[in-house]
Amino acid sequence: DAGVIQSPRHEVTEMGQEVTLRCKPISGHNSLFWYRQTMMRGLELLIYFNNNVPIDDSGMPEDRFSAKMPNASFSTLKIQPSEPRDSAVYFCASSLPPGYEQYFGPGTRLTVT
Amino acid sequence: GDSVTQMEGPVTLSEEAFLTINCTYTATGYPSLFWYVQYPGEGLQLLLKATKADDKGSNKGFEATYRKETTSFHLEKGSVQVSDSAVYFCALSYPQGAQKLVFGQGTRLTINP
Repeated sequence: DAGVIQSPRHEVTEMGQEVTLRCKPISGHNSLFWYRQTMMRGLELLIYFNNNVPIDDSGMPEDRFSAKMPNASFSTLKIQPSEPRDSAVYFCASSLPPGYEQYFGPGTRLTVT
Repeated sequence: GDSVTQMEGPVTLSEEAFLTINCTYTATGYPSLFWYVQYPGEGLQLLLKATKADDKGSNKGFEATYRKETTSFHLEKGSVQVSDSAVYFCALSYPQGAQKLVFGQGTRLTINP
């Protein structure tokens, strides 16, 4: 079992550039979560999908952030334009139906200069 | 709203010492409680969980008991090893509905040989 796959593992970009983070959930899981981890704010849920439909995006910081899940095996988190304060580790997690464990990917470390 | 508070870190112990990491929560309903562990450079892994009051979760020598009366879920281990060095997160979620994980701020644990 491959687990949750995220790419890239590291991303360094300049302020103002567009950044796209990718996630492949575990096959058969129908819930997908995007989290952001920073020293100042800890782990924050950004958005949550169930059966490819966004259920709760209240954690998305602002309009510069967008997330899509075009099918059950792929999701993207896009930041346009990026800013230095977006520097963080972004985690994707997936799970089976309600009440089941969330499995986390290894994360993408984003640095915006 | 719901929240989780963990003891301040970092925590440094010697090998074979007894470990306690305190966790208390505030919840509007009856959540499930979790401890996740994050090893350096990796995503979070579920360590143990408890779904109702007085349940005890256990795994790899770690234990935590769901105490509704004190709204606590303290993590304990009788004899820690160097390999237990990691960041530990307490979290809650509701098995029905959004399944959102609400995390504490994390506690960094370092075990010295």
